[in-house]
Amino acid sequence: EPEVTQTPSHQVTQMGQEVILRCVPISNHLYFYWYRQILGQKVEFLVSFYNNEISEKSEIFDDQFSVERPDGSNFTLKIRSTKLEDSAMYFCASRTGNGANVLTFGAGSRLTVL
Amino acid sequence: GDSVTQMEGPVTLSEEAFLTINCTYTATGYPSLFWYVQYPGEGLQLLLKATKADDKGSNKGFEATYRKETTSFHLEKGSVQVSDSAVYFCALSDLIRGGSEKLVFGKGTKLTVNP
Repeated sequence: EPEVTQTPSHQVTQMGQEVILRCVPISNHLYFYWYRQILGQKVEFLVSFYNNEISEKSEIFDDQFSVERPDGSNFTLKIRSTKLEDSAMYFCASRTGNGANVLTFGAGSRLTVL
Repeated sequence: GDSVTQMEGPVTLSEEAFLTINCTYTATGYPSLFWYVQYPGEGLQLLLKATKADDKGSNKGFEATYRKETTSFHLEKGSVQVSDSAVYFCALSDLIRGGSEKLVFGKGTKLTVNP
């Protein structure tokens, strides 16, 4: 069964450092998403991406965040200058463009900011 | 905006017990409703979904019925197993511009099933 693949599975970084989280969505999917889950809290929407541009972003997705689909297969989330409160599990998700609204999630990348 | 309210956990049951996890939602339109499950150390997996009123989603013995009149989508299972221990998230889909959608999640309910 096709999977959404995320790397790294866990990253530890110092506050103020840049972090790039990578995702390989399912190959025929057209819509891409990032969500995050701070430990013990709900899963929160960050951003959606379609047709090489952001469709919508949440209040969390400020100027420190950016997304990119550089080569038609990868979908990356960059945090320019990490803060302690960015520590969370980040989930990538994708779905087809055929009207079905089921998202397939990756296993997540755990980011720990020290 | 749209929101999902989910029964607070944690829930601890014995094997073969009956499970109900309550979920209610607030939405301006007619969202699709979902239950996702997160097993320890893993990501989110779709458990079941319903796309319109009175639809019943079912999978692996779990069921949930889309009740528009009570804006609810309660998850039930007649006989839980130890392997059902996980965190369960209720969610709705919220249509956003460009034909895309985003999921709005509840806080999650942690279920522990003891042998």
